Amino acid sequence: DAGVIQSPRHEVTEMGQEVTLRCKPISGHDYLFWYRQTMMRGLELLIYFNNNVPIDDSGMPEDRFSAKMPNASFSTLKIQPSEPRDSAVYFCASSSGRYSNQPQHFGDGTRLSIL
Amino acid sequence: GEDVEQSLFLSVREGDSSVINCTYTDSSSTYLYWYKQEPGAGLQLLTYIFSNMDMKQDQRLTVLLNKKDKHLSLRIADTQTGDSAIYFCAESDTGTASKLTFGTGTRLQVTL
Repeated sequence: DAGVIQSPRHEVTEMGQEVTLRCKPISGHDYLFWYRQTMMRGLELLIYFNNNVPIDDSGMPEDRFSAKMPNASFSTLKIQPSEPRDSAVYFCASSSGRYSNQPQHFGDGTRLSIL
Repeated sequence: GEDVEQSLFLSVREGDSSVINCTYTDSSSTYLYWYKQEPGAGLQLLTYIFSNMDMKQDQRLTVLLNKKDKHLSLRIADTQTGDSAIYFCAESDTGTASKLTFGTGTRLQVTL
């Protein structure tokens, strides 16, 4: 079975540019999560969706960050304008339910470098 | 808010047992998880334990939970070089079962 698929795997862009990260969750999973991982702050939850609806976006750093889930098989995380401090690995994860024994499955991440 | 702490680094010799420790602060934690992250990859779920359990064993992995002290450990028996990775513990609580709080991760280095 295909796991969570993220694209691109690596992104290098200049400060001020718009960045769009993409995620395809596991088919049938109705929860989708976006995380950011840095050396300084570890793994942080940015936002999560249930049935394509954002449930908690309290982790989104600022208005430059936005996330959408137009359908059950696709989500985007957008940064506009990007800044060097946004450099990190961004992970998408999905799960099949809200119960704790329905674990989150992670994609391989997008390594983002803002110059 | 919730806080989950781990030591940053552990080095063991191949064939020895590894014990990775984790402490958490949220007394309402329902499930506690161990994830493994290999270089360049996402997090892979290894095992999880419900808060009313003391121990769970799965092949070479043993999870011990001391709920009173809010202490979780992962023991890897007969550690192999392929076990070298970063190990994260995570917790979720009853009210927000979909949200996980992750620890800082413990880098396990296995030497020959």
